[in-house]
Amino acid sequence: QSVLTQPPSASGTPGQRVTISCSGSSSNIGSYNVYWYQQLPGTAPKLLIYLNNQRPSGVPDRFSGSKSGTSASLAISGLRSEDEADYYCAAWDASLSGWVFGGGTKLTVL
Amino acid sequence: EVQLVESGGGLVQPGGSLRLSCTASGFIFSNYWMYWVRQAPGKGLEWVANIKQDASEIYYVDSVKGRFTVSRDKAQSSLFLQMNSLRAEDTAVYYCAAGDSMDVWGQGTTVTVSS
Repeated sequence: QSVLTQPPSASGTPGQRVTISCSGSSSNIGSYNVYWYQQLPGTAPKLLIYLNNQRPSGVPDRFSGSKSGTSASLAISGLRSEDEADYYCAAWDASLSGWVFGGGTKLTVL
Repeated sequence: EVQLVESGGGLVQPGGSLRLSCTASGFIFSNYWMYWVRQAPGKGLEWVANIKQDASEIYYVDSVKGRFTVSRDKAQSSLFLQMNSLRAEDTAVYYCAAGDSMDVWGQGTTVTVSS
């Protein structure tokens, strides 16, 4: 059972907007920045969002992140077939003195 | 090109040891936090350990404390993970990552613990 809670799956049709939630606590999301990673099938994870809502160079602006209290969200607008992947949230946890990941959300583009 | 390349994975019996390496190129290795993250077959990501630029801070997930040791070598631009007393539940793909945000990831090396 992961410290950060994500829905196991999400889906949408091309062009739609989907949101993936990440729920934590005061010792992690409530106090520290949230990061999102995309893992395409058979590949290594890739940083998608850092510092809650910042996009690395090369990440399309269709991807956006937000944080409120002890929860965070990743939104993907204009859904495309190549967005089909696993998405993970992560944050530092002060109680554990370590990084924690969400269990991951498998996004299916219908 | 910024790159991380892991090596050292393989098949090992329970109770055995392995040493993973991660060689960095295309950036100044000594400027960044480094991480080990693993992924068991069909499972999600699990942070294993991280080490500060000068190795003055090192953190481990509870399940590997006392068994795994992370280290780094500035001259070799390399990160290491010494894994002792390996268990079946340590079977995973091990990734190294670099940067405050785990900005860059390697392709991973597979560790299988089985008799």
